[in-house]
Amino acid sequence: DGGITQSPKYLFRKEGQNVTLSCEQNLNHDAMYWYRQDPGQGLRLIYYSQIVNDFQKGDIAEGYSVSREKKESFPLTVTSAQKNPTAFYLCASSNGLAGEYTQYFGPGTRLTVL
Amino acid sequence: DAKTTQPNSMESNEEEPVHLPCNHSTISGTDYIHWYRQLPSQGPEYVIHGLTSNVNNRMASLAIAEDRKSSTLILHRATLRDAAVYYCILRDWGNYGGSQGNLIFGKGTKLSVKP
Repeated sequence: DGGITQSPKYLFRKEGQNVTLSCEQNLNHDAMYWYRQDPGQGLRLIYYSQIVNDFQKGDIAEGYSVSREKKESFPLTVTSAQKNPTAFYLCASSNGLAGEYTQYFGPGTRLTVL
Repeated sequence: DAKTTQPNSMESNEEEPVHLPCNHSTISGTDYIHWYRQLPSQGPEYVIHGLTSNVNNRMASLAIAEDRKSSTLILHRATLRDAAVYYCILRDWGNYGGSQGNLIFGKGTKLSVKP
């Protein structure tokens, strides 16, 4: 089955710790994205990547870092510099950035900072 | 990406058609109209998209106004599983120079379906 997987589904972190969220896709898509969703709100873009070894900051990149060493993988690290990291994190992929392409989303990771 | 306006919430009865409206008066000629939906605690799911002509797929139909300033997502027979937040989003067709390609989500329309 083709799709996007995210792990873990739930993640708890102590203040001051870095944590890495996994995102893998087997759709052979070039573009991948990370979004953050807060309760009752829409999604906001953290980082995106058009191709391997290249990524760009989105609207709320401060306190986050990413890597794109393989086409199918786009992990997100939430660093201790992120002031309010508790949120629902969603990874997505698409064939490209252009408007006609559909984005496919993973099931999400819910991060809670204790 | 241009902005869209949707009602905050709508209600429907099971097995009846549902028409979800979206206004996008500042749409440009190259913006695609996308619809996604999100069930609680899940990632958004693609529903349908179009540019100028009406579109149909197994999930829904998309009716686009002739001037493209509004569109309507049509669920032909609502089921309880269709209860979700529905997002109407515009994406530029190919603004590679400055486009991030991301979907700009508003708050969407929360659809409730009554048995």
